[in-house]
Amino acid sequence: EDQVTQSPEALRLQEGESSSLNCSYTVSGLRGLFWYRQDPGKGPEFLFTLYSAGEEKEKERLKATLTKKESFLHITAPKPEDSATYLCAVQAGNQGGKLIFGQGTELSVKP
Amino acid sequence: SQTIHQWPATLVQPVGSPLSLECTVEGTSNPNLYWYRQAAGRGLQLLFYSVGIGQISSEVPQNLSASRPQDRQFILSSKKLLLSDSGFYLCAWDTHSNQPQHFGDGTRLSIL
Repeated sequence: EDQVTQSPEALRLQEGESSSLNCSYTVSGLRGLFWYRQDPGKGPEFLFTLYSAGEEKEKERLKATLTKKESFLHITAPKPEDSATYLCAVQAGNQGGKLIFGQGTELSVKP
Repeated sequence: SQTIHQWPATLVQPVGSPLSLECTVEGTSNPNLYWYRQAAGRGLQLLFYSVGIGQISSEVPQNLSASRPQDRQFILSSKKLLLSDSGFYLCAWDTHSNQPQHFGDGTRLSIL
């Protein structure tokens, strides 16, 4: 069964304290792994797509990496405005556009 | 640029009442369209998707149905709401199945 697990469920950081979020997946034929940011009461906002092991993408303080079993979202010197829930989702090779989501990591960055 | 609209933003309905949530996409043609539900503190669960007008695929058996009467319009409906239908409903679109999906701002549905 295709599955996505994110850890930790919640993460509290001080401003400037770098850390990483984990997304472990089990899927038949990965077509793509997607990271989203979701603010309270809003829809998810697309951040990155990763397609193959070894691939990396960066955007401001965020960097996403991918291996054959997991993806990491690294946050360097976070600011309070980075506080949000970060969602990971995968597309399997035989299921069209269907996204399988993890439960998310709720990130809180304190000044 | 492409935009996606969902309405209403919030809705409070009694048990047994009907439901109609609407989603429209602007700035693109023949998008794939999706309805998700997000329970509190949980990830998103795909309910329906559509690759074209009148083409609907259901992912989970439930009290809901979906329709796509026009290319960029997607509607989520129910004839009689249940308490378990409460949640945050999100519409999304993409142009190709391995491209990122883009989400609307959702409808918060509360059933009393």
